[in-house]
Amino acid sequence: DAGITQSPRHKVTETGTPVTLRCHQTENHRYMYWYRQDPGHGLRLIHYSYGVKDTDKGEVSDGYSVSRSKTEDFLLTLESATSSQTSVYFCAISPGTAMYNEQFFGPGTRLTVL
Amino acid sequence: QKEVEQNSGPLSVPEGAIASLNCTYSDRGSQSFFWYRQYSGKSPELIMFIYSNGDKEDGRFTAQLNKASQYVSLLIRDSQPSDSATYLCAVRGSGTYKYIFGTGTRLKVLA
Repeated sequence: DAGITQSPRHKVTETGTPVTLRCHQTENHRYMYWYRQDPGHGLRLIHYSYGVKDTDKGEVSDGYSVSRSKTEDFLLTLESATSSQTSVYFCAISPGTAMYNEQFFGPGTRLTVL
Repeated sequence: QKEVEQNSGPLSVPEGAIASLNCTYSDRGSQSFFWYRQYSGKSPELIMFIYSNGDKEDGRFTAQLNKASQYVSLLIRDSQPSDSATYLCAVRGSGTYKYIFGTGTRLKVLA
């Protein structure tokens, strides 16, 4: 299994509070991704990173920010959590942009915003 | 918006039968295609990838790609109850780091 961990694995928070989710990898892969998964929507990309301090937006980035200060860590921050951000969040990593490069997924974080 | 479409299912097949899962994509520049399996409450795991037109076989699984029709499929031979899961199709475009996922097809293999 790819060495990816996510923390916390479960979190319940209140509307309006900031929340930070952490993704940690031991594979030294260059690319890291944050997705959310909701029924009927599949996996949707929030933000991704192509190197330390290099990040870009995905299709559902509003209300989220990310940071990557080290190769192994990719943080996702909900600046002011809303109920619509209740979801399962997956981190993924990939070694490169070769056509056959797959993504490896972390175990997920279930976030509930009350 | 580049899209990847899958029938949500559920697709029900009897044990031992062939399950056929389909995926269409809108970006003609897409170059590589991935099939993931996701059990309920778990993270997606890769089954196989394909990037050349035609068939690619790996054990009981065969991926088929037709770029002219913008269509990729996954065949599962000798389906087992343990194959019951949601199957996600993912597409990566040319020169991009991003993967676009379909919403997944739920497969039920009946014992």
